[in-house]
Amino acid sequence: QKEVEQNSGPLSVPEGAIASLNCTYSDRVSQSFFWYRQYSGKSPELIMSIYSNGDKEDGRFTAQLNKASQYVSLLIRDSQPSDSATYLCAVSLLYNQGGKLIFGQGTELSVKP
Amino acid sequence: GAGVSQSPSNKVTEKGKDVELRCDPISGHTALYWYRQSLGQGLEFLIYFQGNSAPDKSGLPSDRFSAERTGGSVSTLTIQRTQQEDSAVYLCASSRGQSGNTIYFGEGSWLTVV
Repeated sequence: QKEVEQNSGPLSVPEGAIASLNCTYSDRVSQSFFWYRQYSGKSPELIMSIYSNGDKEDGRFTAQLNKASQYVSLLIRDSQPSDSATYLCAVSLLYNQGGKLIFGQGTELSVKP
Repeated sequence: GAGVSQSPSNKVTEKGKDVELRCDPISGHTALYWYRQSLGQGLEFLIYFQGNSAPDKSGLPSDRFSAERTGGSVSTLTIQRTQQEDSAVYLCASSRGQSGNTIYFGEGSWLTVV
């Protein structure tokens, strides 16, 4: 079992719709959770971080965390063609005071005009 | 510097040769990471440095891979006797080092082994 799992997609949604991206992780002691966006040929960039159960909203993005179910998701409201990218879920496993980050394989999102 | 700097940005090497990839993290960042990303794949953790602690080398795929970090700043990833399966983008990242802190990626070093 992979430590962080995502559906590889591609996930296709029409412009203006809600895109829902899901991620599960295997290590119960995970403390920090991140969503990164990666455009083709570019390096990943951070979109959202979440540390406690519940929802966290930032503009059109909402991250949801359920530690009991070991599940984290990202919702993108009013999806735009510019949101088309690969979305990477990442989990921080507590390591001393550091933050070794384990990534899922990413979900490719395509927003159709 | 303003961001994580990696060099070279592109490297083509012959099978069997050694390569060195360099990473200069953001000033003041104590944590440094190396990841590998093959075409169409996710990020594969390679190694993690945190301050003066022993590095976490658990992701290095074989003994042909090694990394060092001098003076707590610049890091070099060395691949000996390169193989075609080593072809990938090698991404370096850095952070302030506390659990949960944001990590920032460099633009990567694209390695092609022919």
